[in-house]
Parts: sequence; structure tokens; C-alpha cells
Amino acid sequence: GQQLNQSPQSMFIQEGEDVSMNCTSSSIFNTWLWYKQEPGEGPVLLIALYKAGELTSNGRLTAQFGITRKDSFLNISASIPSDVGIYFCAGKKSGTYKYIFGTGTRLKVLA
Amino acid sequence: GAVVSQHPSRVICKSGTSVKIECRSLDFQATTMFWYRQFPKQSLMLMATSNEGSKATYEQGVEKDKFLINHASLTLSTLTVTSAHPEDSSFYICSASSLGPPTNEKLFFGSGTQLSVL
Repeated sequence: GQQLNQSPQSMFIQEGEDVSMNCTSSSIFNTWLWYKQEPGEGPVLLIALYKAGELTSNGRLTAQFGITRKDSFLNISASIPSDVGIYFCAGKKSGTYKYIFGTGTRLKVLA
Repeated sequence: GAVVSQHPSRVICKSGTSVKIECRSLDFQATTMFWYRQFPKQSLMLMATSNEGSKATYEQGVEKDKFLINHASLTLSTLTVTSAHPEDSSFYICSASSLGPPTNEKLFFGSGTQLSVL
């Protein structure tokens, strides 16, 4: 099935560093969702975005709905070891019911 | 956030047997539920969309007779893997869509079921 391009594919960072990742599509979306998944668990919703240009925060996490509506960004500030996991974006087009998922960004934090 | 309960979390079965996985939305009604399959280190692959009171919509390449989906109520959907074989071993995850204004729709996931077929 269709997947969104998500980059970077993986990141190794030092504790305390900031992290940025993005998700891009050739199609226009009206909803972007960001998730974190840990091994053996289902994805947990982090942030939901519904309008172009929207910037939403959840603690140390901030996500933005790209103004072109074809991309979205997730930033994590001052990373900590428990931020380790796989981060997925998911987008939905107007008039559809299915979400398309990104390929995932695997984050590892070195203490 | 809303809670989606998925059971069992892990199941080991013999080849040829059938396995049923349940997905419940605990604190909201979910007209639409989705079933995914996830291979190690890969993203989620949508298998089918489950709508309450109607037949499920399967993605291309997913065998309807192999993966039976029933959405009996607004809070329960089940996936039955029939006559399971080792190649069906995978991590299966359900999700439920919380309906509301388009500006408030969210997708919540269950905790997943690791199926191992011997």
C-alpha cells in the first residue's frame, strides 16, 4: 500500500539534543497525526494537526502542519532516554476515511 | 486520550487452527475500526477497514476468507485468522476512529497482538 516518505529513517543522538523529523507526500492532506511506537506495543498518539500552518505542542514535542498541506514536521526538544522508539506520521486526505502512514523514524538516545 | 483495548496481547498456536483477536473501544463509540499488520522494523500495513453493521473493506492482496472481520457493535471488532500458517505470524494491531468534527478526528490504537504460528 501507499506510504508517506518520512525522514530521517533513523537517528542516534545524545541526551539533551533536539530532534527534527519530517513527513512528505505528493498529495494534499487535511489531517496529520504523529505517533510513537515502542517495541511490542501499539502506536500512541502524540499530536494531531488539522489546519495548514498549525503548530501544536505536547510537552517537549512540537509538530507543524506544512503550509503546502503536503508535509508535516515533528520536533523533540531536550531529548531524554525514554524518547527512544519509532515515530510515525499519518496523513488523511479530505473526503477519505483511511490514514496513510509514514515509513517511520527510529530514534535512539545515548545517555 | 481515548482507550482501545486489544486482546490477546500474545498468542501461540498450531498450524491449521484459527485465532480470534478482539478490539474494543472502551470510552467512545467507533463506527470505523481498522486492522493492520506490522512486520519487524516496518511500518503499519492496512489490512481492512471494519464498519459497524456492514461488511469489512479489504485492501488489495488481503485474503477475505483468511482474515475474517466482524464489527458487531460500535465498540467491538474482531479479526479471526482462519487456518493459520507460519507465514501468518506477525504483529496485528487494531485502531478505532473517534468521530467528531473533521477538526477533531483522531485515530487510537490497541496494544497489538503478536501471533506466532508453529
